[in-house]
Amino acid sequence: KAGVTQTPRYLIKTRGQQVTLSCSPISGHRSVSWYQQTPGQGLQFLFEYFSETQRNKGNFPGRFSGRQFSNSRSEMNVSTLELGDSALYLCASSLLTGVLNTEAFFGQGTRLTVV
Amino acid sequence: AQSVTQLGSHVSVSEGALVLLRCNYSSSVPPYLFWYVQYPNQGLQLLLKYTTGATLVKGINGFEAEFKKSETSFHLTKPSAHMSDAAEYFCAVSDTTGNQFYFGTGTSLTVIP
Repeated sequence: KAGVTQTPRYLIKTRGQQVTLSCSPISGHRSVSWYQQTPGQGLQFLFEYFSETQRNKGNFPGRFSGRQFSNSRSEMNVSTLELGDSALYLCASSLLTGVLNTEAFFGQGTRLTVV
Repeated sequence: AQSVTQLGSHVSVSEGALVLLRCNYSSSVPPYLFWYVQYPNQGLQLLLKYTTGATLVKGINGFEAEFKKSETSFHLTKPSAHMSDAAEYFCAVSDTTGNQFYFGTGTSLTVIP
């Protein structure tokens, strides 16, 4: 069974640009969560989608947005990139959501560098 | 609100020695608790989890953790460290809705030959 696939693995963008990251969850999983990992802040929750609906959102500015498609694939978009957005962005896939969600499988991440 | 504290950002052990990585949590309700491992330039891999039932949880690669409600702890242990255990370890707790994971700041484990 294929794992969580994130594309691209590495990305270099210029300040002010926008970027879209993609995440394909494990087959059958309907919940996709996004996390930002930086050396200073650690792992921080961005948002979670389940059945194409955003269920929960972390404390990030509106420049960070996402969506989920009917096949459960998810995209995350960051507009007007800032140097501080440089990070490893991790996607997590879960079968369920809510209190029944007892496990999340992570992809390898997308390393975004903003120059 | 949930939060996780990992004591010791760096831990070094000799090969064959006991591994002990500490994790304390704060939660208003009995939480779900997790340990993840991250190798360089990789995502997170689940080592083990506690949801309900037996408080001693066994995971992959010989790791185990014990949920101690009275101490709000979920420390990770392995009897004998192996070189391949060198990695970053994250303790996490899920919130009451299960929709969000809160991670500790991580502990970098070094194994000395």
